Amino acid sequence: GEDVEQSLFLSVREGDSSVINCTYTDSSSTYLYWYKQEPGAGLQLLTYIFSNMDMKQDQRLTVLLNKKDKHLSLRIADTQTGDSAIYFCAENDSWGKLQFGAGTQVVVTP
Amino acid sequence: DSGVTQTPKHLITATGQRVTLRCSPRSGDLSVYWYQQSLDQGLQFLIQYYNGEERAKGNILERFSAQQFPDLHSELNLSSLELGDSALYFCASSVGAGQYAYNSPLHFGNGTRLTVT
Repeated sequence: GEDVEQSLFLSVREGDSSVINCTYTDSSSTYLYWYKQEPGAGLQLLTYIFSNMDMKQDQRLTVLLNKKDKHLSLRIADTQTGDSAIYFCAENDSWGKLQFGAGTQVVVTP
Repeated sequence: DSGVTQTPKHLITATGQRVTLRCSPRSGDLSVYWYQQSLDQGLQFLIQYYNGEERAKGNILERFSAQQFPDLHSELNLSSLELGDSALYFCASSVGAGQYAYNSPLHFGNGTRLTVT
């Protein structure tokens, strides 16, 4: 079956790095995704990584994938107050639909 | 702006009523997905259409139905509404489905917030 798990809450100080972790179960997933949801808003696609990659960097975002352990992480460098949001990890199936984790609420404190 | 448009943004209705949520996908996207987001269930996949045909079904109640029209916009119909149907309903679109779906990220609209009183 498909199941994506994330920790529910992360508090980080402004300027520090944030690391959000995720585990997934479907080894056939070809892409893994990170979405951001700000209060009252939709889901914003942040980044995604192909399953045969180990790492992907995009400005302040670094995605690490350990396929053996089915572990995905998102690192946000120099975290800003605008990064406060809920972050969702997701895996896809062969038809493209996504299975989401419960989301990690990130709170950035001054 | 994701390019996916959902209307209305908010909807307040009474139990037992029927509502229709509308979604216009991004230009060029052929697949439309509907998700429900509630506090207790999180993000739940409801249904997927590709180029007018139903492709996959998730945790969609029998009281709910959807369709995708020739111009690719989609509607989600919710009937005999119950208090528990109150949620945020998202539409997402992507370019492909089937063998090309795996490399098509989903882009989400801002959702329709449904409140059933």
